[in-house]
Order: sequence, then structure tokens, then C-alpha cells
Amino acid sequence: DQQVKQNSPSLSVQEGRISILNCDYTNSMFDYFLWYKKYPAEGPTFLISISSIKDKNEDGRFTVFLNKSAKHLSLHIVPSQPGDSAVYFCAASERSGGSNYKLTFGKGTLLTVNP
Amino acid sequence: GAGVSQSPSNKVTEKGKDVELRCDPISGHTALYWYRQSLGQGLEFLIYFQGNSAPDKSGLPSDRFSAERTGGSVSTLTIQRTQQEDSAVYLCASSSVDTQYFGPGTRLTVL
Repeated sequence: DQQVKQNSPSLSVQEGRISILNCDYTNSMFDYFLWYKKYPAEGPTFLISISSIKDKNEDGRFTVFLNKSAKHLSLHIVPSQPGDSAVYFCAASERSGGSNYKLTFGKGTLLTVNP
Repeated sequence: GAGVSQSPSNKVTEKGKDVELRCDPISGHTALYWYRQSLGQGLEFLIYFQGNSAPDKSGLPSDRFSAERTGGSVSTLTIQRTQQEDSAVYLCASSSVDTQYFGPGTRLTVL
């Protein structure tokens, strides 16, 4: 039973446009959410996170939105750049439950930004 | 280097053999994690070490899997009597507070 779902295996956008990557979760105990980016033959790299007490967190071109009632989060990248082409993983954990270390990952979305 | 390193980068083995995968965490990081990523899947938590505390082994898929962390630094993940379904990329991560920093992984192929 997948607790973190990324329903779009791939996404293609034009350079300069907005990329929106979506993630849904089923476990209501999750209270901390992260996005990781992964290039081929490399490990995932932390991108941005959000606590469940917030509904938005912004870091430069990257913004994560959290809708707790819908158990949905999204990552917005604007403007998108060719170097953003990678697999993006959504992850979640139960911080308040003491299991903040145990990340549950989605299957990832391959983003391709075309020049 | 300052990052997490793993060795070997690739390992091909025959079904039934034992394998050892090594992880060198970032110096000073007290927490160490092992995950695996099977083809087309997300990362799956395997085991977590924090300082001198007993590890959380709840993600290990069977008793053929074991891991140790010597001296609070280097960790070894051992898979005994490998099976074809063990084929995956095995990723190690370390952290000092919250953010987990991942190594490049070991791609294990069991023939």
C-alpha cells in the first residue's frame, strides 16, 4: 500500500515556464514533507521541505505548497531551466511521532525541461 | 570528499552468494540510513542508526539482510544468500540534524 503517491511518472515543460510536480499521501500522521531531486547515477539531493504547520515554503525558484485537508502537496519551479531536468521524489515523515528519520518516498516524477 | 561515499558502485553476483555493501557517511554525522530503490519504485527505508542507540531495523525485508555500523562511522549492509528480487540500487544517507544526505548508491544485480 503506497502511502506517498506521485501519479505522474513524467512531465515535460518549456524552458522559462512553470513546472508543477504533484504528490498525494494517505497517512494522516505524516507531518513533514520533503522534495528530493535525483540525477542519473547520483544519490537524491535535498531540495526543499515543509512542515504541516505551514501551507507554503519558498526558496528561490522553488515553492512547495501543502494542502492538508486534501493530503496533497506540490512543488512549483519557476522559471524552469534545462538543468532542472531530473527525477523529483516526494517524501514524508512522522516528525511528532518520533519517526522523523524514516522517510517514505513516492516513485518519482521525471521532469524534462526543453530549451 | 565531503559527501557520503559508497562502494562498490556496481556489484554483480550470482543467486545464493553473500554480498557486502559499504557506506562512509559524512564526517560528524551521527545518523546513518540505508534505503533501496527497486526498478520503477521509490526509495524504501531499510535501517537507521543513531549514535549508540539500538538501530531501527524495521525496514529490513528478511533475515537475510543485516547491517552494522562500526565505531559510529562506517556501515556495512550484508545480504546473505542473495535472490534475484534483491536486485536494486542500495542507497546510504547520513544526517546531523534533519536533512538526509545521500550517497550515489550501489547497483546490485543478482543473476
